[in-house]
Amino acid sequence: AQSVTQLGSHVSVSEGALVLLRCNYSSSVPPYLFWYVQYPNQGLQLLLKYTTGATLVKGINGFEAEFKKSETSFHLTKPSAHMSDAAEYFCAVSARAAGNKLTFGGGTRVLVKP
Amino acid sequence: DTAVSQTPKYLVTQMGNDKSIKCEQNLGHDTMYWYKQDSKKFLKIMFSYNNKELIINETVPNRFSPKSPDKAHLNLHINSLELGDSAVYFCASSQGTSGLDYNEQFFGPGTRLTVL
Repeated sequence: AQSVTQLGSHVSVSEGALVLLRCNYSSSVPPYLFWYVQYPNQGLQLLLKYTTGATLVKGINGFEAEFKKSETSFHLTKPSAHMSDAAEYFCAVSARAAGNKLTFGGGTRVLVKP
Repeated sequence: DTAVSQTPKYLVTQMGNDKSIKCEQNLGHDTMYWYKQDSKKFLKIMFSYNNKELIINETVPNRFSPKSPDKAHLNLHINSLELGDSAVYFCASSQGTSGLDYNEQFFGPGTRLTVL
């Protein structure tokens, strides 16, 4: 079984400040980890993913995340927030053994203040 | 060109009615999925089909019946709609479920279902 916990359902940051979204997972098999972004009234767009290899992964729009197996974490960061980063962010876990299905966290809404 | 498309985008209906949501992908993928996003934004998988065969069925009421006429389409039919069915339903597709690498899922724009 797999599960994902996102700490903080809402995060407010100032424009230009660091964005940090926390994600912890539980998986009985080696996980694949993802961050998706959802803009208002839109579908989900993949920001980045970790499957194997380098544990620091870079994605679109300046986001990156680091897989830390010892901490079962996959936190998402962006050095400098932009107004366009205001959206809902979802962390998700999957595994080959799970039939490729995605198990999502509860989401974190990011508000960017001018 | 839209990779994963859903129709309709919005669906408003009365309790007890039967409705369908259609999904089509033009990516040549083998696997398609339905996810439900509730009012609190929580996303959960409902079904997955690989080459028209059901491979994931996640404790969904029998009123929900997916149908895959071919591997490019996965439709969702809902009988006897209830208030609790109000949600956004997302279709997704991926290359497959086997192999050494994860196959990225591509999501459609969603269908917002409102049951009155």
